[in-house]
Amino acid sequence: KAGVTQTPRYLIKTRGQQVTLSCSPISGHRSVSWYQQTPGQGLQFLFEYFSETQRNKGNFPGRFSGRQFSNSRSEMNVSTLELGDSALYLCASSTSPTGGTDTQYFGPGTRLTVL
Amino acid sequence: KQEVTQIPAALSVPEGENLVLNCSFTDSAIYNLQWFRQDPGKGLTSLLLIQSSQREQTSGRLNASLDKSSGRSTLYIAASQPGDSATYLCAVRPRETSGSRLTFGEGTQLTVNP
Repeated sequence: KAGVTQTPRYLIKTRGQQVTLSCSPISGHRSVSWYQQTPGQGLQFLFEYFSETQRNKGNFPGRFSGRQFSNSRSEMNVSTLELGDSALYLCASSTSPTGGTDTQYFGPGTRLTVL
Repeated sequence: KQEVTQIPAALSVPEGENLVLNCSFTDSAIYNLQWFRQDPGKGLTSLLLIQSSQREQTSGRLNASLDKSSGRSTLYIAASQPGDSATYLCAVRPRETSGSRLTFGEGTQLTVNP
């Protein structure tokens, strides 16, 4: 079974631009979560989508948004990029059954650099 | 609010040594705890998942324990090898939030010297 894939793997943008990152979950997984990883803040939760609906949202400004499609693929968008948005963006997928018994599987990440 | 702490932040050991990584969390109301490995610049690889009703899980040279009442987990690595060098992260899935949200510790950076 193919793992979680993320595209692109690397991105360089300038301040003020916007960017869209994509995540394809493991086949059969309906939950997709996004995390931002920086040296100073560690791994921080952005949001989670399940069956095309946002189920959880972290403490990030409205410039960060996402969506999920009917095939469970997810995209996240960051508008008006700031230098502090430079980070590794990771997505994770799971089957998300009730009771919280599932394992989270992570993709390789997208490295975003904002100049 | 759930907080996760990992000690030590960094650890350097000679090859062959057995070692223990520690993880503590402030709220025992969790669904599960998961240990991950991260190589530099890469994504996270799941190592072990312990459900809240379990005390330990084993996979090869790895053994993870969970003491939910005291808010602690340990990851034991037997006979360490240079290939074990990586950052190890623990994460809990709190019951206070619905869905699959994880709360992560800062990680322990492990170096195994040949």
